[in-house]
Amino acid sequence: DGGITQSPKYLFRKEGQNVTLSCEQNLNHDAMYWYRQDPGQGLRLIYYSQIVNDFQKGDIAEGYSVSREKKESFPLTVTSAQKNPTAFYLCASRDREPSYGYTFGSGTRLTVV
Amino acid sequence: RKEVEQDPGPFNVPEGATVAFNCTYSNSASQSFFWYRQDCRKEPKLLMSVYSSGNEDGRFTAQLNRASQYISLLIRDSKLSDSATYLCVVITSGAGSYQLTFGKGTKLSVIP
Repeated sequence: DGGITQSPKYLFRKEGQNVTLSCEQNLNHDAMYWYRQDPGQGLRLIYYSQIVNDFQKGDIAEGYSVSREKKESFPLTVTSAQKNPTAFYLCASRDREPSYGYTFGSGTRLTVV
Repeated sequence: RKEVEQDPGPFNVPEGATVAFNCTYSNSASQSFFWYRQDCRKEPKLLMSVYSSGNEDGRFTAQLNRASQYISLLIRDSKLSDSATYLCVVITSGAGSYQLTFGKGTKLSVIP
């Protein structure tokens, strides 16, 4: 079955350490997105990519970086510059036609220890 | 005015009740609308798309009012399993891209 896979499900990071969250989809979707969700808050857009080798900053890109070398993959790196990285991170993708909605991965819960 | 606004709730309703959520959006050029359901500590999942003509899926009915710029979700005969946060999602196109905007969600608790 097609879908989006995020890994790991839980991640613990030490202060000052960079970590990379994986997002892979086999839906043949062009566009992929990274969101952050804090407790009791809505989803905030970090980065998005509409095609391979192209990506754009979202509303809260500072302290994060991404790459899109393959259509199927859109990894997110949380750098040490991100001062408050503890959150629930969601990856999503959509088909060319947005009326079909977006599909989400099951998320990665990142905690700074 | 925020781009997409929802009443955060929580809505605490007894089983069997009918409950309605509204969501307002600020960009009149928005073109696609959805309701997503998010369970605690899980990812959002598409519940239904929202069309101008209204659409129904079992106990769920979604409506779009473009003139007043709001969408609604009606849940009839609430079940305990309906307890979740319901997110309103609005898609707006422009400059060759699509912008997806989420409401902060409305929390529903169905109580026995």
